[in-house]
Order: sequence, then structure tokens, then C-alpha cells
Amino acid sequence: GIQVEQSPPDLILQEGANSTLRCNFSDSVNNLQWFHQNPWGQLINLFYIPSGTKQNGRLSATTVATERYSLLYISSSQTTDSGVYFCAVEYNQGGKLIFGQGTELSVKP
Amino acid sequence: DAGVIQSPRHEVTEMGQEVTLRCKPISGHNSLFWYRQTMMRGLELLIYFNNNVPIDDSGMPEDRFSAKMPNASFSTLKIQPSEPRDSAVYFCASRPPPAFGSGTRLTVV
Repeated sequence: GIQVEQSPPDLILQEGANSTLRCNFSDSVNNLQWFHQNPWGQLINLFYIPSGTKQNGRLSATTVATERYSLLYISSSQTTDSGVYFCAVEYNQGGKLIFGQGTELSVKP
Repeated sequence: DAGVIQSPRHEVTEMGQEVTLRCKPISGHNSLFWYRQTMMRGLELLIYFNNNVPIDDSGMPEDRFSAKMPNASFSTLKIQPSEPRDSAVYFCASRPPPAFGSGTRLTVV
């Protein structure tokens, strides 16, 4: 089956720093999503991005489908950005998602 | 819209007991998914429905697990009998577009 790998597994930042999270996938996909799981366990959809670049405030994402990777950029990080960031790919028409193992981000004040 | 609604939020039960998790998808969504999150295995798909019909249940771990979707606005995931290794957070999601519920944290003691 398709493999989804995220890097780095863990990241510690000082508040105000920028970061880039990466997601590699092993096969062509129909879609890709980035999620943030907050400390309360809620999964918040950040981006629905099969290709190209999208921006939402301090966050932006780029997916290069032909090269099978996606990047999530966090600029001017805040303590509220802490949590686990998941990449998930949809590779058939059914809509089921295959998740990566996540990047655990900790932003220190 | 209230989003995907799951109940209960937390469940603690004794080994051997029956557990039923409930999900109300977003109105108008025609696909519903049950995922499980554990430390060891991350987020994995258990089963999904399209137009109330189970499409892929290959992720259901064993016969102790069953899921139903009697109508477009309700689904259940049942574990009978429950075991300590079933302890996890169970998420329900519906689409399109993709939306996750807040999850049910299940602890089997």
C-alpha cells in the first residue's frame, strides 16, 4: 500500500521562529490534507491541497504532486501552534485517508 | 452547521463489556469514516460507508468490531467484548469536504 512519511518526527521552536514540515508519499494521490491535532486531541483541517500552494494567515502549504511531496510552512510561530501536525493522502475515489505518523511541534515562549 | 458529532467524548469500561460509539455526520455528506488513533499505530482507517453502504471494512481489527449506518444521519461502531488493547481515540469523519469529529477516548480496564 501507499506509504506516507513525515519529517521531522519532533520539532522544538522558540516563539517567533519559522519552520517547514515535510510529507513524502510513495504513489500518486488524488488529494492531500494537512491537519493540526491540538493538545485536546481535536483534528483540525488546515489545508486540502492536491497540488499548488495555498496560504492561510501564518500557515502555507505547497504540494508538488509530480515529485510526491508536500511542505507545510509555519511562520512567526506561536505557543498555540504546538501539537501534532499530520499529513494524510487520499489515493482512491472512496475518500479514505492514509495518515503519516505526524510531526510533534512544541513552541516555547 | 454543528460539524461531525460524536458521543460519548470519553468512555471507561471494564474488559468484556460491550461498547457503542456514536456518530452524526454533517448533513448532506454521503461518505462516513471511522478511524482509530493509538500511540503504536497512529491514525488508521477502520471502515467507511458511502451512501450508508459499507464499502471497505478491511481495517476492522477483528470480529469483535462491527459498524452500522442505518441512515444518512447516524452511525455506530460497536466493540463486543471489549479488551484493554482496544483503548484508543476513535474518530468519525464525513465528506465531502472532509470533516472530523472530536473523537471518543475509550479506555478499557
